[in-house]
Amino acid sequence: QTVVTQEPSFSVSPGGTVTLTCGLSSGSVSTNHYPSWYQQTPGQAPRTLIYNTNTRSSGVPDRFSGSFLGNKAALTITGAQADDECDYYCVLRMGSGIWVFGGGTKLTVL
Amino acid sequence: EVQLVESGGGLVQPGGSLGLSCAASGFTFSNNWMTWVRQAPGKGLEWVANIKPDGSVTSYVDSVKGRFTISRDNAKNSLYLQMNSLRAEDTAVYYCARWTYSSGWWYIDFWGQGALVTVSS
Repeated sequence: QTVVTQEPSFSVSPGGTVTLTCGLSSGSVSTNHYPSWYQQTPGQAPRTLIYNTNTRSSGVPDRFSGSFLGNKAALTITGAQADDECDYYCVLRMGSGIWVFGGGTKLTVL
Repeated sequence: EVQLVESGGGLVQPGGSLGLSCAASGFTFSNNWMTWVRQAPGKGLEWVANIKPDGSVTSYVDSVKGRFTISRDNAKNSLYLQMNSLRAEDTAVYYCARWTYSSGWWYIDFWGQGALVTVSS
């Protein structure tokens, strides 16, 4: 069974740039997987960040951007801020109406 | 304003049943695919099930197939998840969410606040 992979954790300095990735244990992520990105702070519901490769959901600051990087989908935060410290998830469509979330990346800003 | 409000969570014994509801408002409910996503304590998000706007097509993660049933009542603007034969590993916050297809892309654009289901004796 194909697993959606994300870095378990990442650290970035305030004002720095970080790129989180979303890959597959077997194969490459493409537009056919419809990758999208979600942000979640502890105890809160997820918030939609990015879809359609690089379209930001309403209200999402432009320091968040999406792309494809090699064989993965990527989420880049440029000019990281303290309140960006939380968990980030991607989800991919795996065919036949099945969707799989990545394990999430816990981002630390310090 | 789009709102999704889950209800029906609680404590249930292993092997028991529980039903979740999600009341939708602020949009034409019958136009959208809907989904349930869960999150076990301290764990990541897990997609559970999808349902087509007219209810005619459903899909499930393997771990709940045959035990969970997603359904909807478009007249009541409501989404449901019937959970049977519950196991300890089903303990999670269950989120109701809306799929949108825009500019050729599928994504979840609105989430409920979640309902906690605890399976324990």
